[in-house]
Amino acid sequence: KAGVTQTPRYLIKTRGQQVTLSCSPISGHRSVSWYQQTPGQGLQFLFEYFSETQRNKGNFPGRFSGRQFSNSRSEMNVSTLELGDSALYLCASSSGGGSYNEQFFGPGTRLTVL
Amino acid sequence: SQQGEEDPQALSIQEGENATMNCSYKTSINNLQWYRQNSGRGLVHLILIRSNEREKHSGRLRVTLDTSKKSSSLLITASRAADTASYFCATLKETSGSRLTFGEGTQLTVNP
Repeated sequence: KAGVTQTPRYLIKTRGQQVTLSCSPISGHRSVSWYQQTPGQGLQFLFEYFSETQRNKGNFPGRFSGRQFSNSRSEMNVSTLELGDSALYLCASSSGGGSYNEQFFGPGTRLTVL
Repeated sequence: SQQGEEDPQALSIQEGENATMNCSYKTSINNLQWYRQNSGRGLVHLILIRSNEREKHSGRLRVTLDTSKKSSSLLITASRAADTASYFCATLKETSGSRLTFGEGTQLTVNP
């Protein structure tokens, strides 16, 4: 099976702009979760989508949003970018339930906000 | 916020030695997973242990789980320079869907 793919791998934006990141999960997986990783805060959960519905949400401002399509691919959007949004954004793919619920991560999108 | 803590924060050993990393967490869990991350790249899934399991093995990896102490350990035997990476534990709560809560990670350096 192909792994989790994320595009783009690198992005440079300026403050105030918006950005859209994409994640394609492993075939057959219905859950996609997004995480932000920074040196100061570590790995923080953003949100999870399961069968096109947001199932969980972390403590991030409304500038961070996401969606999931019928083919399970997911996008996250960050509007009005701030310097503090510079981070590695990781998405995770899983079947979505049960005690064997393993999450597999993509390579990440490195976002730099100038 | 991070649910757990990992200990030690950094570990430096020689090739061939064993490396042990510990993870503590705060709430009841469904399972606990260990990941490896090389220098700012994606997370590689290493092993999953369910809450009703006490020990699992995968190649040179051994994971233990003590739910009474809310702690887990990852042992890497006969380490190699290629094992140099950050290692994270992540817990999945019973009612949180696929939401993982990560520890702060242990930076392992294996010197050739």
